[in-house]
Amino acid sequence: DGGITQSPKYLFRKEGQNVTLSCEQNLNHDAMYWYRQDPGQGLRLIYYSQIVNDFQKGDIAEGYSVSREKKESFPLTVTSAQKNPTAFYLCASSTPIAGGPNGELFFGEGSRLTVL
Amino acid sequence: GENVEQHPSTLSVQEGDSAVIKCTYSDSASNYFPWYKQELGKRPQLIIDIRSNVGEKKDQRIAVTLNKTAKHFSLHITETQPEDSAVYFCAASRGGIQGAQKLVFGQGTRLTINP
Repeated sequence: DGGITQSPKYLFRKEGQNVTLSCEQNLNHDAMYWYRQDPGQGLRLIYYSQIVNDFQKGDIAEGYSVSREKKESFPLTVTSAQKNPTAFYLCASSTPIAGGPNGELFFGEGSRLTVL
Repeated sequence: GENVEQHPSTLSVQEGDSAVIKCTYSDSASNYFPWYKQELGKRPQLIIDIRSNVGEKKDQRIAVTLNKTAKHFSLHITETQPEDSAVYFCAASRGGIQGAQKLVFGQGTRLTINP
């Protein structure tokens, strides 16, 4: 069954701790993304990656880090430098449409991080 | 950079009536405009999209219109049903820059269908 798997679904962290959110896809997609979802603010792009060993900052990258060592995996680390880390985090992937730009984003089920 | 504004933030309609959600964008180079639906507790899913070379696109009860001159696009849902209740997000992008779909999303509209 193809798709995107995020883990954990719920995570609690104490202030000052780093935490890593996992994102794995078996869709053979080249591009992967991390979005943050807050009430009333839609989805905001944190980082994205076009191919293995390459990633770019999105609109709100401060306090976050990522890696893309494998095509299937794009983990996100929320560092202690992120001032307001409590949020719902969504991972997504996409693949190019023949002859056109990348198409549909396929999202994971999300990870809800709460900082205590 | 791109900025997408979405209105209204909440919308309540009677079952069977139509619903319209509007978005404006700022980057005239944007050429791809998808709409995502997120049901309660579930992941966002693409329901319809439109590219800048098209003015309107329909898929059964949903349609999207695009006005490039005014830089706005709208989602129209006709004959609404209870399963249409969800949060809807519009988005815009230049499409395919550097191989990735760098979407900028609107703030979302919570649509409630009243029986």
